[in-house]
Amino acid sequence: AQSVTQLGSHVSVSEGALVLLRCNYSSSVPPYLFWYVQYPNQGLQLLLKYTSAATLVKGINGFEAEFKKSETSFHLTKPSAHMSDAAEYFCAVHTGFQKLVFGTGTRLLVSP
Amino acid sequence: EAGVTQFPSHSVIEKGQTVTLRCDPISGHDNLYWYRRVMGKEIKFLLHFVKESKQDESGMPNNRFLAERTGGTYSTLKVQPAELEDSGVYFCASSQGLAENEQFFGPGTRLTVL
Repeated sequence: AQSVTQLGSHVSVSEGALVLLRCNYSSSVPPYLFWYVQYPNQGLQLLLKYTSAATLVKGINGFEAEFKKSETSFHLTKPSAHMSDAAEYFCAVHTGFQKLVFGTGTRLLVSP
Repeated sequence: EAGVTQFPSHSVIEKGQTVTLRCDPISGHDNLYWYRRVMGKEIKFLLHFVKESKQDESGMPNNRFLAERTGGTYSTLKVQPAELEDSGVYFCASSQGLAENEQFFGPGTRLTVL
């Protein structure tokens, strides 16, 4: 069975600082990995996905994530935080059976 | 192109009542999913339709939950009778084609059972 662990339910950064949101997964077969973002009163929006091509994946809004098989990690980063990045971020995995398995989410707080 | 829509956005009902949630997927998407997030916990899979057929309903909590997808278009999720632990946000998502393709999510229905 697959599982996802997101370390830190809340992460606070200053505007312009590096954003690092952690995600570790467990899967017995090569996974597909996703990061979704949820802004207030909106649905989940896909930021980026890993599907066994390049290990460094670039997404929307300047976010990127690196798949590291040896560490079973798929951490999300952005070099410089913007106020508009404040949202809740979800890491998810599936192995081809289509149902996504999510982590518990990390709320990113950005201060001026 | 319209995204995934869900109705209602909020629902407050009393324990023992019935509630029906509706999801309209993106036109042409054969795959439709229901997920649920109970407060403070992870988003959990409920079930997956391919067109009008249930492909996977392993996440349905119990037989108080009934999902249908009429003619392979919109879907409804009925909870009858509702219990306190059913409170949460119910998300619908749709996708087309391959497993690695993006699932597009609706804004969710926030259900509160008193």
